Amino acid sequence: GIQVEQSPPDLILQEGANSTLRCNFSDSVNNLQWFHQNPWGQLINLFYIPSGTKQNGRLSATTVATERYSLLYISSSQTTDSGVYFCAVEQSNSSASKIIFGSGTRLSIRP
Amino acid sequence: NAGVMQNPRHLVRRRGQEARLRCSPMKGHSHVYWYRQLPEEGLKFMVYLQKENIIDESGMPKERFSAEFPKEGPSILRIQQVVRGDSAAYFCASSLLAVGETQYFGPGTRLLVL
Repeated sequence: GIQVEQSPPDLILQEGANSTLRCNFSDSVNNLQWFHQNPWGQLINLFYIPSGTKQNGRLSATTVATERYSLLYISSSQTTDSGVYFCAVEQSNSSASKIIFGSGTRLSIRP
Repeated sequence: NAGVMQNPRHLVRRRGQEARLRCSPMKGHSHVYWYRQLPEEGLKFMVYLQKENIIDESGMPKERFSAEFPKEGPSILRIQQVVRGDSAAYFCASSLLAVGETQYFGPGTRLLVL
C-alpha cells in the first residue's frame, strides 16, 4: 500500500517563528488533506489539497502531485498552533476511499 | 449545519464488557469511515460503510469488532469483550461522495478499558 512519511517528527519553536512541515507519499493520490490535532485531541481539517497551493490566514499548503510531496507552511506561529499535524492521502485507483495517515509532526510553540 | 457527531465522547469499560460507539454523519453524507488512534500514534483506517452496506473492512480486527450503518440512525462500532489493548480514540468521518472527497471528522470517542 501507499506509504506516507512526515518530517520532522517533532518541532519546537518560539512564538512568532515560521515553520515548514513536509509530507512525502509513495504513489499517486486522489486526495490529500492536512489536519491539526489540538492538545485536546480534536481533529481539525486545514486543507483539502490534492494539487496546487492554498492559503488560509497564516497557514498555506502546496502539493506537487507529480513529485509526490506536500508542504504545510505556518507563519508567525502562536501557542495555539501547538499540537500534531497530520497529512492524509487517498490513493488513486482506490475504490475503497479509505485515507492513509502519516505519523504526524508534533509542533510545540513556546511563548 | 451540524458536523459529524460522536457519542459518547468518553467511555470507560472493564475487560470483557461491550463497547458501543455511535456516529452521526454530516447531513446529506452517506459515506462513513471509522479510524482508530492508539496513544502517540497516527490514525489507522478500520472500516468504510455506506447505508446498510460494509464496503471495506480491511482495517478492522477479525474478531470482537463489528460495524453497521443502518438505513435509519447512526453508524455503530461495536467492540465485544474489550481488552486493555482496545483503549484508544475512535474517530468517525463522513463524506458526500465516495472518492476524492474531503472527509470530515467527528470529535472522537476515547475508550478506556480498565
